[in-house]
Amino acid sequence: QSALSQPRSVSGSPGQSVTISCTGTSSDVGGYNYVSWYQQHPGKAPKLMVYDVSKRPSGVPDRFSGSKSGNTASLTISGLQAEDEADYYCCSYAGSYSLRVFGGGTKLTVL
Amino acid sequence: EVQLVESGGGLVQPGGSLRLSCAASGFTFSSFVMHWVRQAPGKGLEYVSAISSNGGSTYYANSVKGRFTISRDNSKNTLFLQMDSLRAEDMAVYYCARVGNGGTYYDYWGQGTLITVSS
Repeated sequence: QSALSQPRSVSGSPGQSVTISCTGTSSDVGGYNYVSWYQQHPGKAPKLMVYDVSKRPSGVPDRFSGSKSGNTASLTISGLQAEDEADYYCCSYAGSYSLRVFGGGTKLTVL
Repeated sequence: EVQLVESGGGLVQPGGSLRLSCAASGFTFSSFVMHWVRQAPGKGLEYVSAISSNGGSTYYANSVKGRFTISRDNSKNTLFLQMDSLRAEDMAVYYCARVGNGGTYYDYWGQGTLITVSS
């Protein structure tokens, strides 16, 4: 199972919006509405930000939103804040035997 | 409060073995599917293995199949990963992660334990 494709880096200024894409195939992203996004600060464990494409866990600001079109999912962060600077990973259910596939990660820099 | 605490990491020679543990608290451990996910130094996340809530079903990534064994002891709220025939490419931080009620995402992660494979 190949990793999902994410841009290596994105950047934006405080208050702006950025979108991180996550491209897979019809066997993962395109085949299920089970894409999740994780934020990871250096040296820390990942934190769930969005699940099932567009749902937010309690406690996650509504500045974080998810969507999907075909084989590509997206995470949009609006009203960028300094604390949003982190690595972001997408993850998709891939059908068989509880398999999950992750993206390579995107480093978000808040300028 | 949900807590997942991994232990058992360390330095091991290529071909060696190591057993990781993940102690769970703050929730009914026996009701949740659990996974192991790893992250090589400076790299992204990689699914390693999964186990059903009662331990009756186990799954593995192709990269570790036949070398790693996942198990759990629901009486002790603990998840395990037995790693044999370790290779340099297995060097990573290993996280245990709880699969959320929807079954499609990880809602809680441990802090991770580092495995170094080197002679």
